[in-house]
Amino acid sequence: QITLKESGPTLVKPTQTLTLTCTFSGFSLSTNGMAVGWIRQPPGKALEWLALIYWDDVKSYSPSLKSRLTITKDTTKNQVVLTMTNMDPVDTATYYCAHRPVGAPAYFAHWGQGTLVAVSS
Amino acid sequence: QSALTQPPSASGSPGQSVTISCTGTSSDVGGYNYVSWYQQHPGKAPKLMLYEVSKRPSGVPDRFFGSKSDNTASLTVSGLQAEDEADYYCSSYAGGNNYLVFGGGTKLTVL
Repeated sequence: QITLKESGPTLVKPTQTLTLTCTFSGFSLSTNGMAVGWIRQPPGKALEWLALIYWDDVKSYSPSLKSRLTITKDTTKNQVVLTMTNMDPVDTATYYCAHRPVGAPAYFAHWGQGTLVAVSS
Repeated sequence: QSALTQPPSASGSPGQSVTISCTGTSSDVGGYNYVSWYQQHPGKAPKLMLYEVSKRPSGVPDRFFGSKSDNTASLTVSGLQAEDEADYYCSSYAGGNNYLVFGGGTKLTVL
């Protein structure tokens, strides 16, 4: 059974850096073809893909946020970490991590429950 | 503004069918057969309903059907049931550096 869970601060101040951790089980990110991504959703708004990290440490970022995002993995801990710099109130959203199965061109089969992050002074 | 265009709302009575469209460009929806659909109930995480245009993950009822023509993908839900009431999001592979784009979401109401 595949599970993912996001963790991190619920409140950050403008200009601060957000660090979120995705802890997963039921698969290994060292398996050929596997990937984990981050997606966010502002309250009442649509989903927005942020970043993806592959089993071979290749990384992909949303072009509009690339300069602010860093995604890393710790295969031994079954964790993926997303950092976003220079946070702004418009970054207030529920942040999800999700599992991209082996051979899946572009979809996420399993999602975490999400974590709501508010940006406010 | 989302990369893919969906109608903000759709509705149907129990037992009826409803179709939700998802319009993109030749760089995303039209360029690849990698359209996915997600169902999201209030306060819950999205759930994958269809992938690669029309494939259903295990456990998704065959009442959910996907198709694509040119730059527009569609999700059809037949035999509407109360539990189908949710937000639905389409997504598509966009190639290159822009891995994945989403639609703005459609709120499906079962009357």
